[in-house]
Amino acid sequence: AQSVAQPEDQVNVAEGNPLTVKCTYSVSGNPYLFWYVQYPNRGLQFLLKYITGDNLVKGSYGFEAEFNKSQTSFHLKKPSALVSDSALYFCAVIHSGAGSYQLTFGKGTKLSVIP
Amino acid sequence: SQTIHQWPATLVQPVGSPLSLECTVEGTSNPNLYWYRQAAGRGLQLLFYSVGIGQISSEVPQNLSASRPQDRQFILSSKKLLLSDSGFYLCAWAKGKASSYNEQFFGPGTRLTVL
Repeated sequence: AQSVAQPEDQVNVAEGNPLTVKCTYSVSGNPYLFWYVQYPNRGLQFLLKYITGDNLVKGSYGFEAEFNKSQTSFHLKKPSALVSDSALYFCAVIHSGAGSYQLTFGKGTKLSVIP
Repeated sequence: SQTIHQWPATLVQPVGSPLSLECTVEGTSNPNLYWYRQAAGRGLQLLFYSVGIGQISSEVPQNLSASRPQDRQFILSSKKLLLSDSGFYLCAWAKGKASSYNEQFFGPGTRLTVL
């Protein structure tokens, strides 16, 4: 079965510092990985995805993620955190079933950027 | 451009009452559609998905049902709500068939409280 793990429930970072939100995956076959962000009482917003190609994927709002096959990781990064980046972040992996491709999400990591 | 709508935004219902949540997508055709439930502001659980009109797949046994009467309409229902049905319900869509690894786009969500 496909799964992702987000080992940190919460990450605190000072404004202007680099941030990393960790994700590891367990899949059979090629991994197809996604990051989403959720602001309070809102739906999820797509940030970026890795399907194939360059290991460094660039996404929305200055975020990027690094795919590391040997470490089975897909960590989300940003060089300089903003207070407005404070939100809940979800890593997800795609898998197939009955004609549709479905996402399995991690439990989420709450990012707090401190002014 | 594509947009996804959900209503109502919030709902408070007594135990044993019926439920109907609606989701509609604009600006695309033949989307894959999904219903998720998010409990306690964290993990997402896939409830139902649909690859076409009248085609519904259920991921977990539960008190809820889903229907897709039109291509871009997805409805979540219950005949009798339970306390455990409380949560944040999210609808999502993804491009169907063209690519297996399309990201999902989420609606704004419905916060359901069952008392």
